[in-house]
Amino acid sequence: AQKITQTQPGMFVQEKEAVTLDCTYDTSDQSYGLFWYKQPSSGEMIFLIYQGSYDEQNATEGRYSLNFQKARKSANLVISASQLGDSAMYFCAMVTSNTGKLIFGQGTTLQVKP
Amino acid sequence: NAGVTQTPKFQVLKTGQSMTLQCAQDMNHEYMSWYRQDPGMGLRLIHYSVGAGITDQGEVPNGYNVSRSTTEDFPLRLLSAAPSQTSVYFCASSDRDQIEAFFGQGTRLTVV
Repeated sequence: AQKITQTQPGMFVQEKEAVTLDCTYDTSDQSYGLFWYKQPSSGEMIFLIYQGSYDEQNATEGRYSLNFQKARKSANLVISASQLGDSAMYFCAMVTSNTGKLIFGQGTTLQVKP
Repeated sequence: NAGVTQTPKFQVLKTGQSMTLQCAQDMNHEYMSWYRQDPGMGLRLIHYSVGAGITDQGEVPNGYNVSRSTTEDFPLRLLSAAPSQTSVYFCASSDRDQIEAFFGQGTRLTVV
């Protein structure tokens, strides 16, 4: 069965500092994809970054990078140089090629302090 | 390019009423899904579809029906609304590569 675990309900970070949001996953499939989404207080879901299970390099998108450790089944999101606009809820998600199901973790609320 | 369109944006139902949440996408995506999000929680998968004519249950399917007669549309039906179905509902679609899922704006449903 697929499972995503985010163990940090809430995080604080000082503006301009880097922050890591934790995500672990569980699947028996060999082919899968990992995602991070941002949900601001307005409610929309914003795609941030994607990592395929066969990708050898960690994915990066601007200030976002995904620290992919396959053996540990972790896919942590690193946000560099935090901005006030980064305050939001962040969700880790996974899809497996076998099922096509995209499932989400419980989310982490990030607050950036000025 | 409208992306994923959900209607309505807000809805209040009485217990026992039925209704259909509409979801349409114009990106020719094969995969479509419905989620519910309760306060302070993640998105839980209700039903999903990997193509027209194919649907399957997610984590919380009870009380909901879906069908996928066309690639574009994936309606979610509440057969007999209950207060426990008060939630925000999201529809999402993606292509076969599933590198990115596109979300609708959500439907806020209240059952009284």
